[in-house]
Amino acid sequence: SQTIHQWPATLVQPVGSPLSLECTVEGTSNPNLYWYRQAAGRGLQLLFYSVGIGQISSEVPQNLSASRPQDRQFILSSKKLLLSDSGFYLCACRGRLTDASPLHFGNGTRLTVT
Amino acid sequence: EDKVVQSPLSLVVHEGDTVTLNCSYEVTNFRSLLWYKQEKKAPTFLFMLTSSGIEKKSGRLSSILDKKELSSILNITATQTGDSAIYLCAVCGGSNYKLTFGKGTLLTVNP
Repeated sequence: SQTIHQWPATLVQPVGSPLSLECTVEGTSNPNLYWYRQAAGRGLQLLFYSVGIGQISSEVPQNLSASRPQDRQFILSSKKLLLSDSGFYLCACRGRLTDASPLHFGNGTRLTVT
Repeated sequence: EDKVVQSPLSLVVHEGDTVTLNCSYEVTNFRSLLWYKQEKKAPTFLFMLTSSGIEKKSGRLSSILDKKELSSILNITATQTGDSAIYLCAVCGGSNYKLTFGKGTLLTVNP
């Protein structure tokens, strides 16, 4: 079964600074990868998903971008953070896109923008 | 736009109580409904339901899907303090099998 690694676990960054969050997956090949954000008191919002290397779909226009440089690596970035980017960022993995099976999540990164 | 609504948003009970959590949805081309439990970090998968009326059960937790009413319930019997968590409902639908999550129900079980 797959294991999802995310780092760092917590991060405090000033407004206007850049961001890079990394997610790597073990135990599967050619996974579908997802970035979700969970703001306080809200559900999980899908930010990006990727079906393969270099293939990124954006769900919500925002201050963030994503990249997939390797099959099992997914990176979330920002050039200049906003206060509204604070939240809990979760990377998730699923076997195939056309698959109603469960997503499996990493342990998340809690980002506070000050 | 796909929509998932959970109720109640929060609930406080005593150990031993039975609780029922609700989830209703509007989604294009429904594929499945999933329940997750989230403690401090990653949501962990509980159940996936695809057929109406079939109960999925694991120990003290059970869930049923009603596709006619576009809803699902999650039951927890004989609650324990370890059941305290956010319970998330998600619906998979559309051509890209997208998962849409509700806001969750925060369950607190007091000793």
